[in-house]
Amino acid sequence: EVQLVESGGGLVQPGRSVRLSCAASGFKFDDHAMHWVRQAPGKGLEWVSSINWNSGSLEYADSVKGRFTVSRDNAKNSLYLQMNSLRPEDTALYYCAKGRLWHLFDYWGQGTLVTVSS
Amino acid sequence: EIVLTQSPGTLSLSPGERATLSCRASQSVSSSLLAWYQQKPGQAPRLLIYGASSRATGIPDRFSGSGSGTDFTLTISRLEPEDFAVYYCQQYGSSFTFGGGTKVEIK
Repeated sequence: EVQLVESGGGLVQPGRSVRLSCAASGFKFDDHAMHWVRQAPGKGLEWVSSINWNSGSLEYADSVKGRFTVSRDNAKNSLYLQMNSLRPEDTALYYCAKGRLWHLFDYWGQGTLVTVSS
Repeated sequence: EIVLTQSPGTLSLSPGERATLSCRASQSVSSSLLAWYQQKPGQAPRLLIYGASSRATGIPDRFSGSGSGTDFTLTISRLEPEDFAVYYCQQYGSSFTFGGGTKVEIK
């Protein structure tokens, strides 16, 4: 059974940093792209970042480019999102999603909430 | 960036009725790169349809997808109580984008 468990969220002040983690199990992690998707409270889904199986291809939404960095550790079956220079508009539930091919999100975690506020 | 516009914003229907949800793209999208997701309150999204018309594993056949170019449709042939949720379309062109969602609510 595929399981994705996000962690690292919480309350953070504007301008500060936080690192999210996603622990994956139940599939061959290093065979798949992985993604981060966020959802602001009461709003829709917004893609944030993607990383291919060997970290050779990284993509970012314009809204986070230059501030967020995606990475993975295939030996640890883990995905990460380093979030710097946080803004109130980054407040959201951050989901980790397993990739199918490059462009589909076929399994999702339950998310970790990041709240950016002073 | 390709913008996806979903309509209607809210669809009020009764169980057993047919639901037709629209997703319109600001420019042509490859059908192979168009997907639909379902999200129930308090839950993560779930992949329903990929390649515009192929059902994901375990998705009942009352769900069907169609369309090409800039116009795509998700149809639920007969609504079951568990189908009342928010539905999102998603595409991958030069980047990933989601539509704003359609809420299917009980009338």
